Amino acid sequence: QQQVKQSPQSLIVQKGGISIINCAYENTAFDYFPWYQQFPGKGPALLIAIRPDVSEKKEGRFTISFNKSAKQFSLHIMDSQPGDSATYFCAASKGNDMRFGAGTRLTVKP
Amino acid sequence: DTGVSQDPRHKITKRGQNVTFRCDPISEHNRLYWYRQTLGQGPEFLTYFQNEAQLEKSRLLSDRFSAERPKGSFSTLEIQRTEQGDSAMYLCASSLGSGHNTEAFFGQGTRLTVV
Repeated sequence: QQQVKQSPQSLIVQKGGISIINCAYENTAFDYFPWYQQFPGKGPALLIAIRPDVSEKKEGRFTISFNKSAKQFSLHIMDSQPGDSATYFCAASKGNDMRFGAGTRLTVKP
Repeated sequence: DTGVSQDPRHKITKRGQNVTFRCDPISEHNRLYWYRQTLGQGPEFLTYFQNEAQLEKSRLLSDRFSAERPKGSFSTLEIQRTEQGDSAMYLCASSLGSGHNTEAFFGQGTRLTVV
């Protein structure tokens, strides 16, 4: 049933380090892969998204790497900051069908 | 605040009671979604509206759950005869567009606790 698998469940990174979160999906029909950031008590907010026709997308310190043949994609957060501490969800969608990973709780230590 | 608004933020109810949640989407958004999120999990899709029409319902949405969007603006989600397993965060999201995969904006959610 779980169509999007996310790892790790939790991640601790030192300030200035690189945070890497991985996701794998099953349904090859998915054509949109967003990452959401969620702070406690808040709803998820779109961080960055990619479509399968590109292998990488960068926005500021955030980069998505996409491997279509492996059905995997990852989020890299460069120069991680304490303010990045949150739960990150990957998702995969086709039309209005969006499936989320289970989330990664990121803690960036000062 | 022009974002997605949900009310109430928290609801504690006794098992067997009915509860209703409200979502006010971003005003020009024609699409509205309801999701359920349990602790340590990602949001799970429940149902979707395009304007006032409910176009899709998940198998997760048992017959105790009903959602409406009567005028294509705000939406309500009602849970009848609540069970402890209904305890979760209920998230509403809205988006604009007729094509695929337009950005969805989430509200802050309604946290339901069934005791």
